[in-house]
Amino acid sequence: NAGVTQTPKFRILKIGQSMTLQCAQDMNHNYMYWYRQDPGMGLKLIYYSVGAGITDKGEVPNGYNVSRSTTEDFPLRLELAAPSQTSVYFCASSYFSPRAGNYEQYFGPGTRLTVT
Amino acid sequence: GDSVTQMEGPVTLSEEACLTINCTYTATGYPSLFWYVQYPGEGLQLLLKATKADDKGSNKGFEATYRKETTSFHLEKGSVQVSDSAVYFCALSGGGSNYKLTFGKGTLLTVNP
Repeated sequence: NAGVTQTPKFRILKIGQSMTLQCAQDMNHNYMYWYRQDPGMGLKLIYYSVGAGITDKGEVPNGYNVSRSTTEDFPLRLELAAPSQTSVYFCASSYFSPRAGNYEQYFGPGTRLTVT
Repeated sequence: GDSVTQMEGPVTLSEEACLTINCTYTATGYPSLFWYVQYPGEGLQLLLKATKADDKGSNKGFEATYRKETTSFHLEKGSVQVSDSAVYFCALSGGGSNYKLTFGKGTLLTVNP
């Protein structure tokens, strides 16, 4: 298993440009998440998905969009990049069942994004 | 809402020293507690977890005990190695929302030979 994969690893954007961060998992996990990590601030949840076709906002969703057309893929879209979106972005996935609860989240290696 | 407060870093230790990183939490209900580790340039990996009061999680010589009475989950290791240098995150899942993780800000540990 590759686990959680993310592309690209690094990207520099100009203000106002758009891009999509890719995330895929091959563990058949039903839940997927996008976080951003800013220095000294821990991780903040941007969006999450509880299954294909279902997404919801996390703590810091403004400026981002997501879709989940398949169980495996969960891309994150930045429409009009702003310097405040300079950060490291992590995708994660987990298996959740109502009976057993949430199993651990597995994280991808991250995408380092700079907006100038 | 749920929150996690962990010890401010950075922490610098010599090899074979003892480590404690404090973590306290606020949550409704009965959360699960986690320590994640992030090595330089990598994503987060689960280090250990505990799902109910008085449980002790352990892995790679690290331990943490779920203390409901003090709402704490402190990370400890008796003898650190240079390879333990990383950022450590305390996190909780549960309470008001049992599938989201709430993270502390992270503690950078540097171990010198």
